[in-house]
This record gives sequence, structure tokens and C-alpha cells, in this order.
Amino acid sequence: EVQLVQSAGGLVQPGGSLRLSCAASGFTFNSFSMNWVRQAPGKGLEWVAYISSSSSPIYYADSVKGRFTISRDNAKNSLHLQMNSLTDEDTAVYYCATDITGAGQHWGQGSLVTVSS
Amino acid sequence: DIQMTQSPSSLSASVGDKVTISCRASQNINTYLNWYQQKPGKAPKLLIYVASSLQSGVPSRFSGSRSGTDFTLTVSSLQPEDSATYYCQQSYNMPYTFGQGTKLEIK
Repeated sequence: EVQLVQSAGGLVQPGGSLRLSCAASGFTFNSFSMNWVRQAPGKGLEWVAYISSSSSPIYYADSVKGRFTISRDNAKNSLHLQMNSLTDEDTAVYYCATDITGAGQHWGQGSLVTVSS
Repeated sequence: DIQMTQSPSSLSASVGDKVTISCRASQNINTYLNWYQQKPGKAPKLLIYVASSLQSGVPSRFSGSRSGTDFTLTVSSLQPEDSATYYCQQSYNMPYTFGQGTKLEIK
């Protein structure tokens, strides 16, 4: 069974940092591209970042470029999102998802990130 | 960036009804269009990928079609468990973009 288990999110002050993780199992992780997608409270879905199976290429949404870093460790079947310089506009549930021709076939359970003082 | 425009933003229908949700891309995206269902507090669930391919395990009452830059998600016979918000997403090029969502309510 395919599983994507995400780390807990958290409460962080504006300007702070947080690292999210996504542990994959039940499939050949190193064969799949991955995405992070977020959803602000009461809002729609927003794509955040993409990483290919080999970690190149990598793409970011303009809204997070220069502040967020997506990475993966294929030896440990894990995906990460390092988030720096957080603002209240980054408050959202963050999801990791596999990428099949750009479609999110399998999703994690979500990690709530709240940016507030 | 490619803009995805969904319509309607919400609709209400009865069990057994046929329902269609539309999604228009601002430019050609070939068939790189995916549909998701999301229920409150849950992760999105992939229903249809590359415009008309049914994801494994998804009931056959869901189908997708394309006409140029216009895409349609059809539910042939609405069931109570279909109450959810539906999103389209283009994966033709980066950045991936989603429609704003359609909230489907069962009368």
C-alpha cells in the first residue's frame, strides 16, 4: 500500500523557519517526481514546489521562490520542504504528493503550518 | 502562467442527477488536465488524469472530456458520497495551476 506520512506542522513566528518531511513507503520512491501543494484556510489548492526523481529539475511557485527549498533523500525514501522567512500568507495545510504526468496520484495527510506572532 | 477557470463555483443537485463541472484553460494544454475531489479536512483525491483517464478505484460514474481548451468533469448519476469540492489542475507546464474549485452539494 502506498503511504505518504507527513511530519507535524507547527506554529512559527513571522520571519521564522520550519522544515516539513514526507516519508514514503509502498512504492519505488526514487522513480517518482514529487510535489508540495498547500491550501490556506478556506481557500483552494496552490502548487508550491516540484522535484524530479533525480532532484533535477526543481521548480517553485513565484510566491515561495528564494524562501522555500524542496529536497529529497532517495536512500531514506523521504521528501522535505525547508521554509524560511515565513509570513502570515504562508499559513496553510501543506501536502506532499506523487507526480504522475503532473497529476497528484497519492497524497500525504497534510501538515498544518500556522505563521503568527 | 496558465489560468484555469472553473464553473460553476457551486451547485446543488439531487441523488441520481447527471452533473457537469467545466474548466477552461487560458491557453492550449493539450490533454494535461487532471480532476480532484476533496472532502472537508481530507487530502485531495485524484479522479481523472490526462483529461479522460479514470484513476484506479474511482467509480465509473465519473468521466472527463476535452474540447480544445475546455474540459468537463461529468458525474453520470450523483451519489450522496459525491458531496465535495472538485478542482481541475493543468500539468502542461510549470507552474502547475488549479481552478478555484466547485463545491457540489447534494439536495
